Amino acid sequence: GENVEQHPSTLSVQEGDSAVIKCTYSDSASNYFPWYKQELGKRPQLIIDIRSNVGEKKDQRIAVTLNKTAKHFSLHITETQPEDSAVYFCAASGRGGNKLVFGAGTILRVKS
Amino acid sequence: DTAVSQTPKYLVTQMGNDKSIKCEQNLGHDTMYWYKQDSKKFLKIMFSYNNKELIINETVPNRFSPKSPDKAHLNLHINSLELGDSAVYFCASSFSQNTGELFFGEGSRLTVL
Repeated sequence: GENVEQHPSTLSVQEGDSAVIKCTYSDSASNYFPWYKQELGKRPQLIIDIRSNVGEKKDQRIAVTLNKTAKHFSLHITETQPEDSAVYFCAASGRGGNKLVFGAGTILRVKS
Repeated sequence: DTAVSQTPKYLVTQMGNDKSIKCEQNLGHDTMYWYKQDSKKFLKIMFSYNNKELIINETVPNRFSPKSPDKAHLNLHINSLELGDSAVYFCASSFSQNTGELFFGEGSRLTVL
């Protein structure tokens, strides 16, 4: 089955700096790659997603890039703010496209 | 109006007891899920139903039994609770079984003593 690895497990940045979180996946049939943000004690919420027919997608300060050949995708957050502090999860759809497999999560701390 | 709602939000119980968590979505979605988030924050799928039909059943002990009376509801019953069952259980829904955005409930924190 699909396996998703996520790095780093924790990331501390200074307010205003950029943050990059990387994920690799194992199943070449995966075609959907979302990113979820989970604030402390809250539910995970989708922040951005990308499908395999696209290499890059941007939404204001966040962007996601996908390299299908290498089977990795990354989340980029620019001009980080304290409210960006949360756990971020990547995920991949897996064969059949009906099951999201999540990475282990990255704790992002933005220091002001 | 809450899109995906779960009850109860907190559950504290003794080992060996049986408990249920209920989930309802008012988004008109066809597909619903149960995910387990352990103490290390790892999110793992347990079950998925599409229009009341079980489509995903991961390697979960058979003490866990999901039930979907209709496509807007998905309940989770757990028998003979064990310490290792302590976790946050998230219900989620999506428009269809072909992956798209998951809408999560607020989670139900289960503590087994």
